[in-house]
Amino acid sequence: DVKVTQSSRYLVKRTGEKVFLECVQDMDHENMFWYRQDPGLGLRLIYFSYDVKMKEKGDIPEGYSVSREKKERFSLILESASTNQTSMYLCASSSDWTGNTEAFFGQGTRLTVV
Amino acid sequence: DAKTTQPPSMDCAEGRAANLPCNHSTISGNEYVYWYRQIHSQGPQYIIHGLKNNETNEMASLIITEDRKSSTLILPHATLRDTAVYYCIVREGGANNLFFGTGTRLTVIP
Repeated sequence: DVKVTQSSRYLVKRTGEKVFLECVQDMDHENMFWYRQDPGLGLRLIYFSYDVKMKEKGDIPEGYSVSREKKERFSLILESASTNQTSMYLCASSSDWTGNTEAFFGQGTRLTVV
Repeated sequence: DAKTTQPPSMDCAEGRAANLPCNHSTISGNEYVYWYRQIHSQGPQYIIHGLKNNETNEMASLIITEDRKSSTLILPHATLRDTAVYYCIVREGGANNLFFGTGTRLTVIP
C-alpha cells in the first residue's frame, strides 16, 4: 500500500517557537508538496519540491521554509511560529508529472500555535 | 492555471446516484480534470481524472463535455461513507503543482 506519513497528527506549539513538520513517502516519488487547509479557504499550496534540494514557492510561502535533503523526506519549517499559522497541514507526493498521475496525501497535522 | 467553480454543498439520498458538477470554462487543451475527495479529518483521496474522454473506475465516473468547459463526477450508488468534500481540479500536464478550491460538501442522507 502506498503511503505518505506525517510525523504528528496533532501538535501544540508556543508563539515564537521553531516548528518542524516532517513528511515521508515510500513510493520513490520525485514531487512532494506542503499545503495548509483552513475553513472556507480550501487547500492552499505553501511549497513544493520536484527533486532533492529543489523547491518552488506556492501560493502562500511567507513565514515558511522547506528542506528536502533526501528524496523520501520533505520538511516544512516555521521559523518563528505565530498564531495565524494555526491550521491543518497536509503533505502530498506524486511521481513525475505528465498530467496523467495522481497525488497521494498524508493524514495531516493539526497545528495549534498558542 | 484554470480555475474551477463548484456548488458549495449538495445532498444525495443513500443508494441514489450523486452527480457533482464542475465548471472550468478557461481550461486549456493540455489540462487534465482531476477529482479528489476529503472525508472529515483525513487527507484528500484521489478519485478519478480525465482529459477529453469520459472515464470510469471502481469509485466513480467522470463525464467531460465536448467543449471541455465543464464536467460531472458521478457516484453511481451513494453510501453514507461517501459524505465528504469533493474537489474538482484542472492541472496542466507537466505542471508540478495542484491548486485546490473550496470544493463541494456532499452529504449522503439515509
